[in-house]
Amino acid sequence: QVQLQESGPGLVNPSQTLSLTCTVSGGSISNGGYYWSWIRQHPGKGLEWIGNIYFGGSTYYNPSLKSRVTISIDTSKNQFSLKLTYVTAADTAMYFCARLGEGPKSSSIDFWGQGTLVAVSS
Amino acid sequence: DIVMTQSPLFLPVTPGEPASISCRSSQSLLHANGYNYLDWYLQKPGQSPQLLIYLASNRASGVPDRFSGSGSGTDFTLKISRVEAEDVGVYYCMQSVQTPLTFGPGTKLEIK
Repeated sequence: QVQLQESGPGLVNPSQTLSLTCTVSGGSISNGGYYWSWIRQHPGKGLEWIGNIYFGGSTYYNPSLKSRVTISIDTSKNQFSLKLTYVTAADTAMYFCARLGEGPKSSSIDFWGQGTLVAVSS
Repeated sequence: DIVMTQSPLFLPVTPGEPASISCRSSQSLLHANGYNYLDWYLQKPGQSPQLLIYLASNRASGVPDRFSGSGSGTDFTLKISRVEAEDVGVYYCMQSVQTPLTFGPGTKLEIK
């Protein structure tokens, strides 16, 4: 059973960089067949896809965040990471990491982390 | 971006009664390969979302058969044949036919 666990600071100062890491267990991030994703949920609101990375390093970002987002992958640690620069209060949200299928018959998010709440405040 | 809409946004249901949620997309989710790239997720209170239905009509592993999905193109429906207390939460549809992936606003199901 694949498990994902987010980690990182719960509080970030405005204009600074939000950095989160997702550790994957129960399966290798290098196996292929999946995108590794970041999704966020503003308090009491819906879900917003931030972006994906494939084990080979290919990335896909939401255009609304693209100028501030970097997703990277460390296959040796079975981890992938999110960096979001120049954060504001509008970036306060629950951040989920997740696994998204890559094939034509498996394009769904089948595993999610428990989420980590990040507040942007001074 | 493909805009996803859902109705109703709030759904009070009596246990044992059926429930239905509609999801519409601003563009067709039918790929040239014949698959509709529409999923349904349930986010129970205090939990991460969980996959219920993928490719519009396929139940995910472990999902009770009282859940069913249908539709094609731009109109989709999630049906619960007999609602149980454990079905409370927010139901989201999501499209993955193109990036950015986008979600519907959610439908909150509550037990009467």
